[in-house]
Amino acid sequence: DVKVTQSSRYLVKRTGEKVFLECVQDMDHENMFWYRQDPGLGLRLIYFSYDVKMKEKGDIPEGYSVSREKKERFSLILESASTNQTSMYLCASRRIRGLRSNIQYFGAGTRLSVL
Amino acid sequence: KNQVEQSPQSLIILEGKNCTLQCNYTVSPFSNLRWYKQDTGRGPVSLTIMTFSENTKSNGRYTATLDADTKQSSLHITASQLSDSASYICVVSAPLRDKIIFGKGTRLHILP
Repeated sequence: DVKVTQSSRYLVKRTGEKVFLECVQDMDHENMFWYRQDPGLGLRLIYFSYDVKMKEKGDIPEGYSVSREKKERFSLILESASTNQTSMYLCASRRIRGLRSNIQYFGAGTRLSVL
Repeated sequence: KNQVEQSPQSLIILEGKNCTLQCNYTVSPFSNLRWYKQDTGRGPVSLTIMTFSENTKSNGRYTATLDADTKQSSLHITASQLSDSASYICVVSAPLRDKIIFGKGTRLHILP
């Protein structure tokens, strides 16, 4: 089974802190994604990465950056956390060819609260 | 305007009953349509995936249908169980720029 692991289930940070959310997948998937999920808004794409060292802005990249130095790890960085970044953050990975390609596999999520 | 619309927003049914969730989309062309189940506090898990040439696909008590002409999909749950309580999210992929568009989900509550 594919496993996508997010480093923290719950995180509480203060306004202005630098926050790192880590995501690791164990299936050698090329694509990785970061979403945030808010009530009434559904999942919104923050950043995605086609492959190692590649990154593309999603629909709401402002206030975030990402890093993909290794294929299995995709990090989301909040340079200076703000209260409006309080949300559920979901990481996903996807194989781009072969069996079960195009299915995104999600981590369990990180619920971030910024006080 | 959201390109993937789901209805109803929420639904409450009794255990053992059947239900059908709807997904209408305007994405065109599209590569595939997926239904995900998301338990509270967890990440979404894939239930079914269909390309435009497929009309129906089943996964246990879950059956998804797709009408590519009317751009409608439905997810039918048979003999509901308490563990079916979750959000169900319809996701459409477009080949143009490999875009993935999420619906806002239907929140399903199963009562004993």
